[in-house]
Amino acid sequence: SQTIHQWPATLVQPVGSPLSLECTVEGTSNPNLYWYRQAAGRGLQLLFYSVGIGQISSEVPQNLSASRPQDRQFILSSKKLLLSDSGFYLCAWNPGQTKKETQYFGPGTRLLVL
Amino acid sequence: DAKTTQPNSMESNEEEPVHLPCNHSTISGTDYIHWYRQLPSQGPEYVIHGLTSNVNNRMASLAIAEDRKSSTLILHRATLRDAAVYYCISRSGNTPLVFGKGTRLSVIA
Repeated sequence: SQTIHQWPATLVQPVGSPLSLECTVEGTSNPNLYWYRQAAGRGLQLLFYSVGIGQISSEVPQNLSASRPQDRQFILSSKKLLLSDSGFYLCAWNPGQTKKETQYFGPGTRLLVL
Repeated sequence: DAKTTQPNSMESNEEEPVHLPCNHSTISGTDYIHWYRQLPSQGPEYVIHGLTSNVNNRMASLAIAEDRKSSTLILHRATLRDAAVYYCISRSGNTPLVFGKGTRLSVIA
């Protein structure tokens, strides 16, 4: 069966520090991968998605970036965190072949920027 | 993705059925209707999806209007564990799911 992992689970970082969040999927190959962010009390915002290694689509301009160095690994990064980067970061995947594919979410990383 | 409209919040008594409405008047003929829910401090989880016919699974039922401009998620017997934000999403093409604000369901014991 497929599983999705995210780490760390929680993170407290000072403003201006770098960020690296990792997401890995097991039990499938060539998944579509997604990064979402949810600010406190707000809805889910799609940040990036990837349909293959090295292929990244950005949904919103910001100081974050994403990379997919391996088929089942998706990394969210920042060189300098802002206070507004605080939130709940969720990685998700789906087989991605049709419109009816279920999207599966990881447990999330709660980031607090101080 | 076609825009969906849901009530901001709903309330239900425990053990009673809940009908969560969703309007998607601009849906195209090939778009699927997906429902997800997000429990507190967790990521969203899949509930159900459908195209034209009503669908049932162990979690819920999905009733889709004949003109497909609206649908209703039905929880047959609400429990306290069903308290969550429920998202109705119309997905066009092989695109990422785009979440709106959803409906916050409160269940009263």
